[in-house]
Amino acid sequence: DTAVSQTPKYLVTQMGNDKSIKCEQNLGHDTMYWYKQDSKKFLKIMFSYNNKELIINETVPNRFSPKSPDKAHLNLHINSLELGDSAVYFCASSQGAGSSYEQYFGPGTRLTVT
Amino acid sequence: GNSVTQMEGPVTLSEEAFLTINCTYTATGYPSLFWYVQYPGEGLQLLLKATKADDKGSNKGFEATYRKETTSFHLEKGSVQVSDSAVYFCALMGGKLIFGQGTELSVKP
Repeated sequence: DTAVSQTPKYLVTQMGNDKSIKCEQNLGHDTMYWYKQDSKKFLKIMFSYNNKELIINETVPNRFSPKSPDKAHLNLHINSLELGDSAVYFCASSQGAGSSYEQYFGPGTRLTVT
Repeated sequence: GNSVTQMEGPVTLSEEAFLTINCTYTATGYPSLFWYVQYPGEGLQLLLKATKADDKGSNKGFEATYRKETTSFHLEKGSVQVSDSAVYFCALMGGKLIFGQGTELSVKP
């Protein structure tokens, strides 16, 4: 009965590799997000999709490409991984994109690039 | 642009002590304000929210009041428990969710 799930939970890979993180929500929400949490715990939004359409695209390197095959899924593909990509990546979802909607977060994917 | 500033941590308290974590914001318009909590090794959970000025959000003994005149949303709890040890994030929503830097709270028995 998990609300927002992410796979994998841990990902260790070498510089230059390409990797994907998957996110699924079973809440029936229309809007999904990717956030990056750095080593100092600072959280910043990367992308947001509403009904499979990209609505927020922050200043993120082109190596990061989100994909939403349907409203319940939002995946994050990262090309040519760099050391600085090491972080915890959180997926979240909300009922809508408006300011009063609560966002529900997944457990996070800890990415370590060596 | 919009921003959130929280008091720096870590904050260390004894069980049953009073907690205040300060949060101030800068925003255009009237954003909604939130407190999220992150327990070790977990994702974020919404603790409480307020959507307009003078609203008070409350949950699990925590409360915060949306103060437009001082642009603040300070988190308070009258008596903390060891299980409250976590990182607390203040956030505002105005188009996108913007977080403060987080305040780590450690409660000792």
